[in-house]
Amino acid sequence: EPEVTQTPSHQVTQMGQEVILRCVPISNHLYFYWYRQILGQKVEFLVSFYNNEISEKSEIFDDQFSVERPDGSNFTLKIRSTKLEDSAMYFCASSERQTNEKLFFGSGTQLSVL
Amino acid sequence: DQQVKQNSPSLSVQEGRISILNCDYTNSMFDYFLWYKKYPAEGPTFLISISSIKDKNEDGRFTVFLNKSAKHLSLHIVPSQPGDSAVYFCAASESRTVFGTGTRLLVSP
Repeated sequence: EPEVTQTPSHQVTQMGQEVILRCVPISNHLYFYWYRQILGQKVEFLVSFYNNEISEKSEIFDDQFSVERPDGSNFTLKIRSTKLEDSAMYFCASSERQTNEKLFFGSGTQLSVL
Repeated sequence: DQQVKQNSPSLSVQEGRISILNCDYTNSMFDYFLWYKKYPAEGPTFLISISSIKDKNEDGRFTVFLNKSAKHLSLHIVPSQPGDSAVYFCAASESRTVFGTGTRLLVSP
């Protein structure tokens, strides 16, 4: 069964450093998302992406965050200057349709900011 | 921002019995409701969904019920199996999918 893959599975960085989290969505999917889950809290929406542009973003997704689809397969989330509170599990997801009827998630990248 | 709420952080059930997981929501514009299952060190996996125009959807051992007037949905698992032990997230979508905080289900043999 096709799956969403995320790399790396763990990322440790120093506060103020830039990180790039990578995702390969399912190949025939057209809509891409990033979510995050801070330990013990709910899964929070960050951003959705379609046709090479952001279609929606949450209040969390401020100027420190950016997304990109640099080629036909990868989808990346960049955090420009990490803060301690960015420590979380980051999930990439993709879907066939915009209705968000069903999202396929990757296994996540655990980001630890020290 | 608590548009989707799961008030029970955990639930313990014996194998073979029914598990009932509950979820409440506040936004009447949601048009799809979904349940996801999550094992440790994995991403959420889609389990079952229901459109806002329906009140019940069944898939094998899993049934989701939607009560729009009460803004409440529930997931029934019958019979429960030890492999069902996981965190279950209720989610709802309009333009974006919003998740609840999850309920940890433990099914004991």
